[in-house]
Amino acid sequence: ILNVEQSPQSLHVQEGDSTNFTCSFPSSNFYALHWYRWETAKSPEALFVMTLNGDEKKKGRISATLNTKEGYSYLYIKGSQPEDSATYLCEFPHAGKSTFGDGTTLTVKP
Amino acid sequence: GAVVSQHPSRVICKSGTSVKIECRSLDFQATTMFWYRQFPKQSLMLMATSNEGSKATYEQGVEKDKFLINHASLTLSTLTVTSAHPEDSSFYICSARPSMTRLEQYFGPGTRLTVT
Repeated sequence: ILNVEQSPQSLHVQEGDSTNFTCSFPSSNFYALHWYRWETAKSPEALFVMTLNGDEKKKGRISATLNTKEGYSYLYIKGSQPEDSATYLCEFPHAGKSTFGDGTTLTVKP
Repeated sequence: GAVVSQHPSRVICKSGTSVKIECRSLDFQATTMFWYRQFPKQSLMLMATSNEGSKATYEQGVEKDKFLINHASLTLSTLTVTSAHPEDSSFYICSARPSMTRLEQYFGPGTRLTVT
């Protein structure tokens, strides 16, 4: 069983605040790391595929970094908006299977 | 692009009956689809990997005779929960990869199953 952990479990911020959360994973035999956004009553949506140590990817106000040597990835949201409210999942594929973290649930208050 | 549909979105059934859930890739072909179950306040747990034209690969602890998976075409996989019991009540969600070179998964909207 692989240990993929996300922290914090939940986060409440005010509109306009910037925030970040973490996904940690085993640093050995790294292949890729995926970030998804899962809004209530919708399908999880792929945000980023991280493959190289030092990767930094950006989509609008959301960005992600990757450190494969120490086994973590950060997701940053700049200037949070209420529409950013969702659960953010990371997925660690390994040996043909996938392990998901428990997610970080972000609530952005207007 | 890369849309996955799932039907039904919600189903309530009586204990002992069987329920079939469909997962379709609408605008791409998927040789591999995945079925997950989500327990309350927990993450997605992979149940099985569904391969078109062959038997599904089940994860340890998942009863293959209870959770029947059929991947009849490149766009359709079905999960049948047989002789459902209240403990099978859960959120079931499928996903698909467009190809072996695309690493991300595209998820269906999920099915909430309640067994009374």
